Amino acid sequence: KAGVTQTPRYLIKTRGQQVTLSCSPISGHRSVSWYQQTPGQGLQFLFEYFSETQRNKGNFPGRFSGRQFSNSRSEMNVSTLELGDSALYLCASSLGQVISPLHFGNGTRLTVT
Amino acid sequence: DAKTTQPNSMESNEEEPVHLPCNHSTISGTDYIHWYRQLPSQGPEYVIHGLTSNVNNRMASLAIAEDRKSSTLILHRATLRDAAVYYCILREPDFPGYALNFGKGTSLLVTP
Repeated sequence: KAGVTQTPRYLIKTRGQQVTLSCSPISGHRSVSWYQQTPGQGLQFLFEYFSETQRNKGNFPGRFSGRQFSNSRSEMNVSTLELGDSALYLCASSLGQVISPLHFGNGTRLTVT
Repeated sequence: DAKTTQPNSMESNEEEPVHLPCNHSTISGTDYIHWYRQLPSQGPEYVIHGLTSNVNNRMASLAIAEDRKSSTLILHRATLRDAAVYYCILREPDFPGYALNFGKGTSLLVTP
């Protein structure tokens, strides 16, 4: 069974630009969550989608947005990039039930210069 | 989510058992205890979870105290591949939308 796939693995962007990251979940998984990981803040929750609906959102500015498609694939978008947005962005999929384990991808490393 | 407390780091010798502790004194009666680990340059990986009884799987064992205020993840024979950051997380069962609070975790060093 294929794991969670995130593309691209690495990205370099300039301040003010926008970026779109992609996540393909494990087949059959309807829930996709996004996390930001930085050395200072650790792993922080961005948002979670289930069957194309956002069920929960973390404490991030509106520049961070996401969506989920009917095939459960998900994208997250960051507009007007800031230097502080440099981080590892991780996507996780699950069956969406309350105790279903999360399966993480290896992330997209975003560097903002 | 209720908070957990873990040591910042631990060290073990290869092929010896490792006991990773986690304190969760404010756990509610319905919170599940989950463990994840993150190897270098990878996303977190699910290890095990439990509610009240001890649990075993191919990766590890989870020992839960009788009062549920603490738990211990047991790696029976540490290998170099087990060097990772281990996260102990509490999950409320009736909250959809899955926002895990990873905290700082325990960084496990395994030496040959």
